[in-house]
Amino acid sequence: LAKTTQPISMDSYEGQEVNITCSHNNIATNDYITWYQQFPSQGPRFIIQGYKTKVTNEVASLFIPADRKSSTLSLPRVSLSDTAVYYCLGRNSTLTFGKGTMLLVSP
Amino acid sequence: EPEVTQTPSHQVTQMGQEVILRCVPISNHLYFYWYRQILGQKVEFLVSFYNNEISEKSEIFDDQFSVERPDGSNFTLKIRSTKLEDSAMYFCASSDGQVSPGELFFGEGSRLTVL
Repeated sequence: LAKTTQPISMDSYEGQEVNITCSHNNIATNDYITWYQQFPSQGPRFIIQGYKTKVTNEVASLFIPADRKSSTLSLPRVSLSDTAVYYCLGRNSTLTFGKGTMLLVSP
Repeated sequence: EPEVTQTPSHQVTQMGQEVILRCVPISNHLYFYWYRQILGQKVEFLVSFYNNEISEKSEIFDDQFSVERPDGSNFTLKIRSTKLEDSAMYFCASSDGQVSPGELFFGEGSRLTVL
């Protein structure tokens, strides 16, 4: 299972773009990179998943370089409601959550 | 939008008692999971279930834990003899497994408090 490393916390202001980078040096060839969001006392919620290059959906973009040893979740124009913990996971079968990144968005 | 539902939302029990947590996964999903999160700590994988059998389990999922899919809709986690350290939020999740590994849909959780 890929071991991931993310910053423990990040601060931002409303309207800014936030980039959270995750390193996963030992990611396996068949692992996807998946990002989840978790609000207090709620279950994790899927944000985005990718294998390589760039993936974009209505919520975020995910950038994965060619060596796949890291990935960057990009949240455009964050709002207060984006305050949450963000988890990066390398996954082929089960999900192994790390400690995640606590993003605090201030007015 | 389809969702995973869990009951009860909160259960308080005495140490040594049996507890059953229930989950109704999304109807066309084939893969089911239990995770737990002790207060202030990370989300921990317990077990995954596919085709009516356990496909993977973690070291946490010892003999006091069991899972069952008793009918076509429910997926249950049983803790036979609860311990204080079993106090946690338990999350059920399901996925259709497509686009390996696929998006996991989590329920809102069942908070278990063992006294």
